Amino acid sequence: EVQLVESGGGLVQPGGCLRLSCAVSGFTFSTYWMHWVRQAPGKGLVWVSRINSDGSTTNYADFVKGRFTISRDNAKNTLYLQMNSLRAEDTAVYYCVRGGVEFWGQGTLVTVSS
Amino acid sequence: DVVMTQSPLSLPVTLGQPASISCRSSQGLVYSDGNTYLHWFQQRPGQSPRRLIYKVSNRDSGVPDRFSGSGSGTDFTLKISRVEAEDVGIYYCMQGTHWPFTFGPGTRVEI
Repeated sequence: EVQLVESGGGLVQPGGCLRLSCAVSGFTFSTYWMHWVRQAPGKGLVWVSRINSDGSTTNYADFVKGRFTISRDNAKNTLYLQMNSLRAEDTAVYYCVRGGVEFWGQGTLVTVSS
Repeated sequence: DVVMTQSPLSLPVTLGQPASISCRSSQGLVYSDGNTYLHWFQQRPGQSPRRLIYKVSNRDSGVPDRFSGSGSGTDFTLKISRVEAEDVGIYYCMQGTHWPFTFGPGTRVEI
């Protein structure tokens, strides 16, 4: 069974940082692109970032470029999102998504507030 | 970025009756491999999105056959042949052809 389990969310002050993790199981992690998608409270879905199977290619939405870094550890079957210089508008549930977009995690809530 | 629009944004439905959601993209969605990466998702309250339809018209495993997808170019449609109570939620179309991938604003289906 494919599972994606996010962690690392929480309350952080503006300008602060967080690192999200997504532990996966049930498939060969090292062969898939992986993505982060977010959803602000009561709002729609927005793509944040993606990374290819070996971590050599990454892409970001313009609104996180220079602030967020996606990475992965294929030996640990884990995807990461390092989020720096957080803003109030980054408040959202962050989902880890497998390439092909058929499998999603349950999400982890990031709240940026003073 | 490719802009995805949906209509209607709110869809009151009657149990047992059909329902239809339209999705339009600001650019064509045919990728260089010949595939059209237009997908449909359902999000029930408090849950993660669930993919229903992939590449325009292919139903995901476990998705009831009352759901169907169609379309081409820039115009796509999700149809529910007979709405059931469990279909309440928000439906999103999404394009995975051009980066950044983008979603439509969502259509709220309510009884």
